[in-house]
Amino acid sequence: DAGVIQSPRHEVTEMGQEVTLRCKPISGHNSLFWYRQTMMRGLELLIYFNNNVPIDDSGMPEDRFSAKMPNASFSTLKIQPSEPRDSAVYFCASSLSQGAPHEQYFGPGTRLTVT
Amino acid sequence: QQQVKQSPQSLIVQKGGISIINCAYENTAFDYFPWYQQFPGKGPALLIAIRPDVSEKKEGRFTISFNKSAKQFSLHIMDSQPGDSATYFCAARGSGNTPLVFGKGTRLSVIA
Repeated sequence: DAGVIQSPRHEVTEMGQEVTLRCKPISGHNSLFWYRQTMMRGLELLIYFNNNVPIDDSGMPEDRFSAKMPNASFSTLKIQPSEPRDSAVYFCASSLSQGAPHEQYFGPGTRLTVT
Repeated sequence: QQQVKQSPQSLIVQKGGISIINCAYENTAFDYFPWYQQFPGKGPALLIAIRPDVSEKKEGRFTISFNKSAKQFSLHIMDSQPGDSATYFCAARGSGNTPLVFGKGTRLSVIA
């Protein structure tokens, strides 16, 4: 299995630009999580989906952030407009909702730098 | 409010020694406690996990000790090796397929 796939691996953009991060979960997994990692705040949840439906988006910092999961094999996280404080590593993780222990597997992350 | 507190922030251990990382949680509804290992430039990888109905779980050189009454759990790495040098995160989650709450991480360096 290829594991969770994220693209791009690195993104450098200027303040005000739109950024789209992409994630392909592990085949057969039906839950998908977006986390953000910074030195100050560590790893924190942004949003998660179950069977393509957003369940909890309370971690999304503000309206500039949006996430979609149009099908079971693809999700996007969009930031529009981007700001320097959005610079972080963004991780996508997937898991199987049926049957414990629902282990979450992480992708390699996208390192975002907003200048 | 930090729901999972992890210590120490950094740890230096001699090769062959025991590395110990501690975590404490507040939410008594948590019932799944994994540890993740992260190398630079990589995503967190699940290392070992425990449920609160057992006090200890061992997988190879890695052991989780769990104290439900104290709301604490720890990771022990026996015979630590330079290849174990990484950042380790404890995490916790409620029942079902819910998001993880992470500790702030411990940077482990194993020196020869």
